[in-house]
Amino acid sequence: GQNIDQPTEMTATEGAIVQINCTYQTSGFNGLFWYQQHAGEAPTFLSYNVLDGLEEKGRFSSFLSRSKGYSYLLLKELQMKDSASYLCAVSGNNRLAFGKGNQVVVIP
Amino acid sequence: DAGVTQSPTHLIKTRGQQVTLRCSPISGHKSVSWYQQVLGQGPQFIFQYYEKEERGRGNFPDRFSARQFPNYSSELNVNALLLGDSALYLCASSVFLAGGQETQYFGPGTRLLVL
Repeated sequence: GQNIDQPTEMTATEGAIVQINCTYQTSGFNGLFWYQQHAGEAPTFLSYNVLDGLEEKGRFSSFLSRSKGYSYLLLKELQMKDSASYLCAVSGNNRLAFGKGNQVVVIP
Repeated sequence: DAGVTQSPTHLIKTRGQQVTLRCSPISGHKSVSWYQQVLGQGPQFIFQYYEKEERGRGNFPDRFSARQFPNYSSELNVNALLLGDSALYLCASSVFLAGGQETQYFGPGTRLLVL
């Protein structure tokens, strides 16, 4: 079985840094994905970690520790358009298992 | 390049009816996956197809079925609709890289409302 856990909501100020955590317990693991989903829209791919460590892509970075079953997504220099739900998903057994998502609200 | 396309965008049905949702993957992608997302939750895996063969099935009842065509497009069918089937149905296409890695790209979804 698979269990993906994320906090539900956080509020942050424009220009700030926010860290979104994800813990997981899965029977199969091929990698961990982060997706961004704006209200009423489809998820869009942000990052992918298969090995331990930090992957940096512009303002977004993602970290993975396979031994701890833990990942985080770091959003820097927050912009109003970053207000969205951020979904953590574990790839394994020919499927993505998603957490419930973390709603980030960016305020001026 | 065109992304994943889905049709229809919105659909209203009544309990007991049947529905067919359609998906066209990104050109060159041979794998299609279907997910159901109810409000406030993350997407839940329904099926994955690769080269017209079912590769994975999630914990959904037999009322849910799917198939993939030779051009890699796919249909998801849901029979005997229930109110609880109201959700956003997402299709994702992917390509498998050497080493088994894949990244799934999502279409805009079909929003189904069952009355």
